[in-house]
Amino acid sequence: QKEVEQDPGPLSVPEGAIVSLNCTYSNSAFQYFMWYRQYSRKGPELLMYTYSSGNKEDGRFTAQVDKSSKYISLFIRDSQPSDSATYLCAMTSTGGFKTIFGAGTRLFVKA
Amino acid sequence: EAGVAQSPRYKIIEKRQSVAFWCNPISGHATLYWYQQILGQGPKLLIQFQNNGVVDDSQLPKDRFSAERLKGVDSTLKIQPAKLEDSAVYLCASSLVVAGGPRSYNEQFFGPGTRLTVL
Repeated sequence: QKEVEQDPGPLSVPEGAIVSLNCTYSNSAFQYFMWYRQYSRKGPELLMYTYSSGNKEDGRFTAQVDKSSKYISLFIRDSQPSDSATYLCAMTSTGGFKTIFGAGTRLFVKA
Repeated sequence: EAGVAQSPRYKIIEKRQSVAFWCNPISGHATLYWYQQILGQGPKLLIQFQNNGVVDDSQLPKDRFSAERLKGVDSTLKIQPAKLEDSAVYLCASSLVVAGGPRSYNEQFFGPGTRLTVL
């Protein structure tokens, strides 16, 4: 069983839709939960991180962590064509050590 | 602020040949990471340095991969000899400190990667 599971998609939505991206994990020691965005032929860039359980909002993006279910989500409101990218969930037990990435979900937002 | 620089951006080699990748992290970043990202997968950590010391190389195939970080700044990753399954993007990342307080996350900044094709 992989430590982090993420549906690779692809996920195709119309512009303006609400997008929901999810990951599950098995290691209960994870404390930091991150979402990275990776455009084609670029390196990943950090979108948001959450420490332990709860929600975090940043503009059109909301990250949720449910440690009891070992389930994390990223919601994108009013999706734009510029949001088209691969979204990687990632997690670690300490702030920066041994980050484990999901496989990434490819998102296409159609104009 | 300049980002993480990597070179070359692309490399094509035959199997059993050797190859080297170079990374220049963001100035002042003590921690440097090398990741391997195979097509359709997330990045997998190969090696992590703090300054010029190795913190974690548990997933580095040491029979063929080697890495060094001289003077705690630039780093090179070498593969010798290459296999077909080494075809991947090799990402370098850096972060400011190894660990902060319990709620602080030390953001990793990634370079554009080197895309390696082994024929």
